[in-house]
Amino acid sequence: ELKVEQNPLFLSMQEGKNYTIYCNYSTTSDRLYWYRQDPGKSLESLFVLLSNGAVKQEGRLMASLDTKARLSTLHITAAVHDLSATYFCAGVPLVGNEKLTFGTGTRLTIIP
Amino acid sequence: DAGVIQSPRHEVTEMGQEVTLRCKPISGHNSLFWYRQTMMRGLELLIYFNNNVPIDDSGMPEDRFSAKMPNASFSTLKIQPSEPRDSAVYFCASTPGQGASYNEQFFGPGTRLTVL
Repeated sequence: ELKVEQNPLFLSMQEGKNYTIYCNYSTTSDRLYWYRQDPGKSLESLFVLLSNGAVKQEGRLMASLDTKARLSTLHITAAVHDLSATYFCAGVPLVGNEKLTFGTGTRLTIIP
Repeated sequence: DAGVIQSPRHEVTEMGQEVTLRCKPISGHNSLFWYRQTMMRGLELLIYFNNNVPIDDSGMPEDRFSAKMPNASFSTLKIQPSEPRDSAVYFCASTPGQGASYNEQFFGPGTRLTVL
């Protein structure tokens, strides 16, 4: 059974700083998804990482995937207040791969 | 495309009443997922369908919960009788089933359920 762990669970950072959210998963998975959820809102797909070494960037966010280390990272560059949200990663087991296994989420708060 | 549509957006009911949540997936998507989200338990997968057939209902809490998908464009999640501990946000999501990101899930806006 695939298990997905995120850390940290809570992150408070100042505007302008850089930080990384980590997503570890327990068994082989060939793809990894990142979602964003604003308070009181739904989950919005951010990145789809489909292969080892995949890197995707959107604005101040960059996601990468290392399938050998079973690790994905979400890097925030020069954080701004608008990035405050909860970020989830989700992995897919190779067997029964219709459903995603979500991490617990990282609640990110950007302080002015 | 309008995205995944859920109704109602908010539901307040009394303990013991029947509650029906509705979902319309994105047209052409072949899998549909029902989730429940609470502060205590996070995001939980309740059940999912593929081509209208229930595949995995191991997350359904108990017999009070039931879900149906009579056709490709409609699904319901029913709670009967409802209890205060069922209070949560219920999300529906669908996936394309084809293409490189065939299992990327697209979420609806959610239904916030409060059982008094």
